[in-house]
Amino acid sequence: GENVEQHPSTLSVQEGDSAVIKCTYSDSASNYFPWYKQELGKRPQLIIDIRSNVGEKKDQRIAVTLNKTAKHFSLHITETQPEDSAVYFCAAGRSGNTPLVFGKGTRLSVIA
Amino acid sequence: DAGVIQSPRHEVTEMGQEVTLRCKPISGHDYLFWYRQTMMRGLELLIYFNNNVPIDDSGMPEDRFSAKMPNASFSTLKIQPSEPRDSAVYFCASRTGTRYNEQFFGPGTRLTVL
Repeated sequence: GENVEQHPSTLSVQEGDSAVIKCTYSDSASNYFPWYKQELGKRPQLIIDIRSNVGEKKDQRIAVTLNKTAKHFSLHITETQPEDSAVYFCAAGRSGNTPLVFGKGTRLSVIA
Repeated sequence: DAGVIQSPRHEVTEMGQEVTLRCKPISGHDYLFWYRQTMMRGLELLIYFNNNVPIDDSGMPEDRFSAKMPNASFSTLKIQPSEPRDSAVYFCASRTGTRYNEQFFGPGTRLTVL
């Protein structure tokens, strides 16, 4: 089955700097790669996703890149702000009827 | 839509007691997932349903755990008897069955077993 590895497990950055979180996956049939943000005491919420027919996607300060050949994808947050502090989860899955497999999460701290 | 609804939000119980967690998925969603989240193990998928039918329960840790989905708008996760190591946050999530669909999480139930 699918296995998703996520690095780093913790990340501290200064406000205004960029943050990068990386994930690798094992199942070459996976074609959907969402990223979830979980604030302290809250539920995970989708912030951005990418599909296998796309190499990069941007939404304001957030971008995701996908390298299907190498089976890895990354989340990039630019101009970080204190409210970006949270745990971020990557996930991988196939379209349709299989469940997402989540990475272990990255705890991002943005220091003002 | 109110989103995925879970109850109770917090549960404190004593070891050996039965615990029942409840979930109402988003209307029209035909997939329902139960996860357990701990610091050590992250987000673990326990079981998931499609059209009320359990598809994969290989993540259920022991026979003490059971889950049901009697209809499209309600699911339960039961632990009997509960143990301190079951303490965790339990999330329910739902989505539709079409391609590339966002999975929506409920607010979670924080379970503490003393």
